[in-house]
Amino acid sequence: RKEVEQDPGPFNVPEGATVAFNCTYSNSASQSFFWYRQDCRKEPKLLMSVYSSGNEDGRFTAQLNRASQYISLLIRDSKLSDSATYLCVVTSPTGGFKTIFGAGTRLFVKA
Amino acid sequence: SAVISQKPSRDICQRGTSLTIQCQVDSQVTMMFWYRQQPGQSLTLIATANQGSEATYESGFVIDKFPISRPNLTFSTLTVSNMSPEDSSIYLCSGYGARQGSDEQYFGPGTRLTVT
Repeated sequence: RKEVEQDPGPFNVPEGATVAFNCTYSNSASQSFFWYRQDCRKEPKLLMSVYSSGNEDGRFTAQLNRASQYISLLIRDSKLSDSATYLCVVTSPTGGFKTIFGAGTRLFVKA
Repeated sequence: SAVISQKPSRDICQRGTSLTIQCQVDSQVTMMFWYRQQPGQSLTLIATANQGSEATYESGFVIDKFPISRPNLTFSTLTVSNMSPEDSSIYLCSGYGARQGSDEQYFGPGTRLTVT
């Protein structure tokens, strides 16, 4: 089983749609959780951190459920510019600080 | 924030040769990492670059193949040794801990390596 698993995608949605990404992690000792965005042929960049209380940044909402070891990202009112790969990222203290990336979910937003 | 640069940005190399990739961070970072990303796939951690000591390698990666240096808090190198076509990939440098209280990890633009 992979340490971080994401929806395989790709997701094809029209502008204005709401889209949800799901992610699960296997190590219950994981400490920090993030969503990163990676545009084609670019490096990953932090989109938002994920907290147990949930957090929202404009059209983006992230949720963490530690009991279920589940992370989600919701994008409302999708824009063309949201088209990218979304990476679920988990840090683990096992063997020292280590960041594990999910395989990513590709999103295509179409006009 | 931290800005990370890598050199070279891309290279085409013959099998059996070696390539050293340089990573420079514009501010001190606590931790530096090297990742590999093959086309259409996510990032795989190669190793954690430790300042002044041997890097910590992940399963499947060894020092003889991927020697790493980190002489100070802002610079690291990754060498891909005795290259084969299977080493063709994007190699990304990453820094963490640039700012106290921040858990953001920053990435360099990547080095696109093609081995012929």
